[in-house]
Amino acid sequence: GAGVSQSPRYKVAKRGQDVALRCDPISGHVSLFWYQQALGQGPEFLTYFQNEAQLDKSGLPSDRFFAERPEGSVSTLKIQRTQQEDSAVYLCASSPNFDRGHGYTFGSGTRLTVV
Amino acid sequence: ELKVEQNPLFLSMQEGKNYTIYCNYSTTSDRLYWYRQDPGKSLESLFVLLSNGAVKQEGRLMASLDTKARLSTLHITAAVHDLSATYFCAALDDKIIFGKGTRLHILP
Repeated sequence: GAGVSQSPRYKVAKRGQDVALRCDPISGHVSLFWYQQALGQGPEFLTYFQNEAQLDKSGLPSDRFFAERPEGSVSTLKIQRTQQEDSAVYLCASSPNFDRGHGYTFGSGTRLTVV
Repeated sequence: ELKVEQNPLFLSMQEGKNYTIYCNYSTTSDRLYWYRQDPGKSLESLFVLLSNGAVKQEGRLMASLDTKARLSTLHITAAVHDLSATYFCAALDDKIIFGKGTRLHILP
């Protein structure tokens, strides 16, 4: 596609509910990143994929967070037993090559509100 | 661990004025980025600075990098209302690390 597509655009979850956030990167982009952006803050790194391999998950805040990219294209970020502190915008970005410093193209994000 | 700090965090300025946003980063980094974010929108890449002394300009925005001082600046010349947005500085560790952003409000 023309850009990075994320769905849903908005998600309201009751505390304790599981959620799944989807990212469709730009076709052919090798690298895929997930960031969490709390209100009024900068994006914080969560995890990184190179094709289907998850090479860095050091930013995932707890074992309730899980990400996958099984076929090296679409990625899903899953949050189990959501808590209020999980409320944030979740941004996905992709990059065309293996260079982690190459410019990223960001999606519009999924705004998650946990009530 | 790489940390990126911006200042100011909030800036309200009149149209036509000049101003500078500062970005300091804590450890050596190969690359420095500036992004723009409008409310409810995604991040738009503005500049990528690769080397000491690098200067890039696009319209009323000019970014520079001093790797020795670990400092980047984003200079706004003769601000116009359309430049109102949040500007993020980011540096490369083994992934891109962002600052908290500078919320810029330009008054007509």
